[in-house]
Amino acid sequence: EVQLVESGGGLVKPGGSLRLSCAASGFTFTNAWMSWVRQAPGKGLEWVGHIKSKPDGGTTNYAAPVKGRFSISRHDSRNTVYLQMNSLKTEDTAVYYCSTISTVTTSLFAFDIWGQGTMVTVSS
Amino acid sequence: SYVLTQPPSVSVAPGQTARITCGGNNIGSKSVHWYQQKPGQAPVLVVHDDTDRPSGIPERFSGSNSGNTATLTISRVEAGDEADYYCQVRDSSSDSYVFGNGAKVTVL
Repeated sequence: EVQLVESGGGLVKPGGSLRLSCAASGFTFTNAWMSWVRQAPGKGLEWVGHIKSKPDGGTTNYAAPVKGRFSISRHDSRNTVYLQMNSLKTEDTAVYYCSTISTVTTSLFAFDIWGQGTMVTVSS
Repeated sequence: SYVLTQPPSVSVAPGQTARITCGGNNIGSKSVHWYQQKPGQAPVLVVHDDTDRPSGIPERFSGSNSGNTATLTISRVEAGDEADYYCQVRDSSSDSYVFGNGAKVTVL
């Protein structure tokens, strides 16, 4: 079964740090482009960033609101992708979803597998 | 940055057809993907690359894309189709991804 399971969410104070993990199974992780998407309470979906597969260069890119504060990495032998979040702000409060890009479909850059999400609350 | 605009809400009676639009500058030149999100659940891809359905998605879901508007069409709407729907594209110039603001479909 194709699956993504996020973990690591919780309550953190402004200025603090948190690392989210996303464990993948059921597909060839080493070839997958991975992304993080977030959703603030009552709001829409917002792309956070992505990491390409190592065969495709392993490069990352981030949305403007998180650039310089968030970083994405991957550990292919563990089938896991991480989101390191530093200098957190109250506006980073959201459910964070891990997703694959064009992995189980023939799509051009669609998010085709999603995890169940993990809640991050930034509050004093 | 590229902007996608959706109507906040669409209302439809059961058995009728719902059309959800997604507006963007020359969006017809891009591949548009659509997601369904029910309350408390993760999004699900229902249409990719303008018109294609992933395995397991009913044929009632279809898409089109031309000019400055992409459209997700849900035929023979059922109560279970009530959800938020988001369009999405990739902005190749910045290697980033953009979502529409989302449209809430209400089944009357």
